Amino acid sequence: DIQMTQSPSSLSASVGDRVTITCRASQSTTHYLNWYQQKPGKAPKLLIYAASSLQSGVPSRFSGSGSGTDFTLTISNLQREDFATYYCQQSYRTPLTFGQGTKLEIK
Amino acid sequence: QVQLVESGGGVVQPGRSLRLSCAASGFTFSGFGMHWVRQAPGKGLEWVATISYDAINEYYPDSVKGRFTISRDNSKNTLYLQMNSLRAEDTAVYYCAKDPGDGYNFYFEYWGQGTLVTVSS
Repeated sequence: DIQMTQSPSSLSASVGDRVTITCRASQSTTHYLNWYQQKPGKAPKLLIYAASSLQSGVPSRFSGSGSGTDFTLTISNLQREDFATYYCQQSYRTPLTFGQGTKLEIK
Repeated sequence: QVQLVESGGGVVQPGRSLRLSCAASGFTFSGFGMHWVRQAPGKGLEWVATISYDAINEYYPDSVKGRFTISRDNSKNTLYLQMNSLRAEDTAVYYCAKDPGDGYNFYFEYWGQGTLVTVSS
């Protein structure tokens, strides 16, 4: 199975900041890496697919990059509604696997 | 707009069975693969099952293989998850999710609101 490891597990930031979350795969997933946002009590929401493609309707302050085993999600100009938990997920092969999540909190 | 509405969750004893349903609307259900993903209380996300648009192919992780079965009725725009031999560790919110294509993209474009399954005696 492909293990996905996110860092950091939690992060404090302020409105207007730029933050970066890292996701590392235990083996190459080429560009088959996706990012989700989840708010408390809500379903996850797709943000980025195929490592760097922005899902329709997602603000452009979200961006993704990387390939192979190392990927990043960057949020520029943090807004209050961005404080949530973020998950990466590999879609390279089954079993599909997620990172453990990164909780982004307000400083 | 895409809507996915899960139902069928509840409290069930270990070893018993439960069937979840997911009613889909707002898109051509028969043209898209579908998935189930679960989240144990306070924990992360775990993929549970995938079915292709035409129901020909199904995929499961080892944790549920042989106990859970994903299926679909394209005439009713409904996805199912039959869960047998339930264990305490199956306790979770179960989400259905839409694939962006035929089922072989293996990521989750839209999600339902989830239904809670609690396995307890």
